[in-house]
Amino acid sequence: DAKTTQPPSMDCAEGRAANLPCNHSTISGNEYVYWYRQIHSQGPQYIIHGLKNNETNEMASLIITEDRKSSTLILPHATLRDTAVYYCIVRPNYGGSQGNLIFGKGTKLSVKP
Amino acid sequence: KAGVTQTPRYLIKTRGQQVTLSCSPISGHRSVSWYQQTPGQGLQFLFEYFSETQRNKGNFPGRFSGRQFSNSRSEMNVSTLELGDSALYLCASSLGLAGVLETQYFGPGTRLLVL
Repeated sequence: DAKTTQPPSMDCAEGRAANLPCNHSTISGNEYVYWYRQIHSQGPQYIIHGLKNNETNEMASLIITEDRKSSTLILPHATLRDTAVYYCIVRPNYGGSQGNLIFGKGTKLSVKP
Repeated sequence: KAGVTQTPRYLIKTRGQQVTLSCSPISGHRSVSWYQQTPGQGLQFLFEYFSETQRNKGNFPGRFSGRQFSNSRSEMNVSTLELGDSALYLCASSLGLAGVLETQYFGPGTRLLVL
């Protein structure tokens, strides 16, 4: 089962920042937080990941709380092309069948003009 | 660098038939994982191949199988198709085994419809 909780849907105005929350209260100390998104009927696209420090790349920023029980993905200037389902994934340690991604239901982000 | 490619992109089969899907990973990537996505169950892990060996397996029946070739290309086979096998089948590649520090990159998927 997925170890994360996300709101099922969110709206954001074009040009504004989109802040997508994720709760992962049972995260272990050596588990990473990964974010992927899936635009309708396409394969999931990797966005960003982090362990405990905030991370930023050309797509987004990831803010992880100090207790690591939650995180926020920030799209600084959302565009219509950012409309997608966003998945927050806690990546279990590799071992047996633990290494692969366990997807939850994600948040459907709708960016509106 | 070219991304993950999957063929065919769309496929229609009838119940009882078998199907083979193909995945070419990003150049240099040695791990290929397969996922099934359906509206009801979401994205679910099928199996992972690395160096031509199945390393991890999800909770799917034996009708689902796969293999990996020496050039890291992978095929997935589903035998005796059922209506419930209609889904988007996604392939993801990573440089090494799909552990915490390995980012997986997905292909566009093969949409299978079983009639």
